[in-house]
Amino acid sequence: EPEVTQTPSHQVTQMGQEVILRCVPISNHLYFYWYRQILGQKVEFLVSFYNNEISEKSEIFDDQFSVERPDGSNFTLKIRSTKLEDSAMYFCASRRGPPNTGELFFGEGSRLTVL
Amino acid sequence: AQKVTQAQTEISVVEKEDVTLDCVYETRDTTYYLFWYKQPPSGELVFLIRRNSFDEQNEISGRYSWNFQKSTSSFNFTITASQVVDSAVYFCALSANTGNQFYFGTGTSLTVIP
Repeated sequence: EPEVTQTPSHQVTQMGQEVILRCVPISNHLYFYWYRQILGQKVEFLVSFYNNEISEKSEIFDDQFSVERPDGSNFTLKIRSTKLEDSAMYFCASRRGPPNTGELFFGEGSRLTVL
Repeated sequence: AQKVTQAQTEISVVEKEDVTLDCVYETRDTTYYLFWYKQPPSGELVFLIRRNSFDEQNEISGRYSWNFQKSTSSFNFTITASQVVDSAVYFCALSANTGNQFYFGTGTSLTVIP
């Protein structure tokens, strides 16, 4: 069964460092997302990406964040200068079509710990 | 604005008991989609069910059942004969036809005691 894969599963970094989280969405999917879940809290939307550009982003997704689809398979989330409050589980998700066509398929998450 | 409310933060039941997880949503869209996801202790998000706003038929899948009522804007999830493996956090989510994102509730942590 096709799945969304994320690397690394866990990353520990020092405050102020740059972090890149990687995702390989399901191959025939066209819509890509990043969500964040601070420990014990709700899953929060960060950004959606379609047709090689950001289609929607939340207020959390400030200038410290960027996304990129550098090739035909990877979808990355970069945090330029990490802060303590960036510590969270980051979920990548993909969907085959627009909102009315089905569920999001989530990866297993990348846990980011900022010290 | 879209919003999902899961008023129950934590529930504990004894194995084999039935349990219902509540979900209330708000949206102004006439077309929308409701979802339930399970998050086991390992952390991943597992899709359970999707419902569109035009389909109020209740659904049963094994021990799981869902009750969608537009009149009360609710999409409740019942597990019958609960098992220890059902212990997880369960999230209800809403996706409207406008916009791109899923809106998650705060989750209900279910503990099934053997």
